[in-house]
Amino acid sequence: QVQLQESGPGLVKPSGTLSLTCAVSGGSISSSNWWSWVRQPPGKGLEWIGEIYHSGSTNYNPSLKSRVTISVDKSKNQFSLKLSSVTAADTAVYYCARVGITVTTSGWFDPWGQGTLVTVSS
Amino acid sequence: EIVLTQSPGTLSLSPGERATLSCRASQSVSSSYLAWYQQKPGQAPRLLIYGASSRATGIPDRFSGSGSGTDFTLTISRLEPEDFAVYYCQQYGSSPPRTFGQGTKVEIK
Repeated sequence: QVQLQESGPGLVKPSGTLSLTCAVSGGSISSSNWWSWVRQPPGKGLEWIGEIYHSGSTNYNPSLKSRVTISVDKSKNQFSLKLSSVTAADTAVYYCARVGITVTTSGWFDPWGQGTLVTVSS
Repeated sequence: EIVLTQSPGTLSLSPGERATLSCRASQSVSSSYLAWYQQKPGQAPRLLIYGASSRATGIPDRFSGSGSGTDFTLTISRLEPEDFAVYYCQQYGSSPPRTFGQGTKVEIK
């Protein structure tokens, strides 16, 4: 079955850029699914960041849109997240997830990666 | 943007009891595009329900979802020890942004 694994620096300096990669195994990133990033600040709820299709089409959360870039690398079967101008408020566990799809609908998240904690601090 | 409000914030119950969790949307969720997740400490969320009432693969039938429009419910018919966790609802209407509720914690009484 499909598995996802996040990777990237666990510590980013304020005003810097957070960069994470999600490696997809057990399936192709060029399938009919979208691929998404979700984050969770410590002790808080879940926030959708954005998503990408293998064609490169993207959708972003308006609250983060000015700072977010999601890209895909089909040759490596992975997709990536960049979040610029980070502050302490961006400290969170970052998850990648596949967007579920049926014949008629799409939009839930399954499966999820294990998540990676990114701390913004000097 | 559709805002989801979950209630109660915390539900204190004993194993074997029935749990009823509510998720209310600020506007109608098109075609019942609503999902439920379970999250345990230190773990990623796990999909339970999509399409308001369809169980995900491998989810026990004690979990059921219902509702439409702006009011949705997750019911756990008989709580097992492994069901004590935080539950989130999520809507995926006709267009992003996809949004989550703030969560309901089901704790052991």
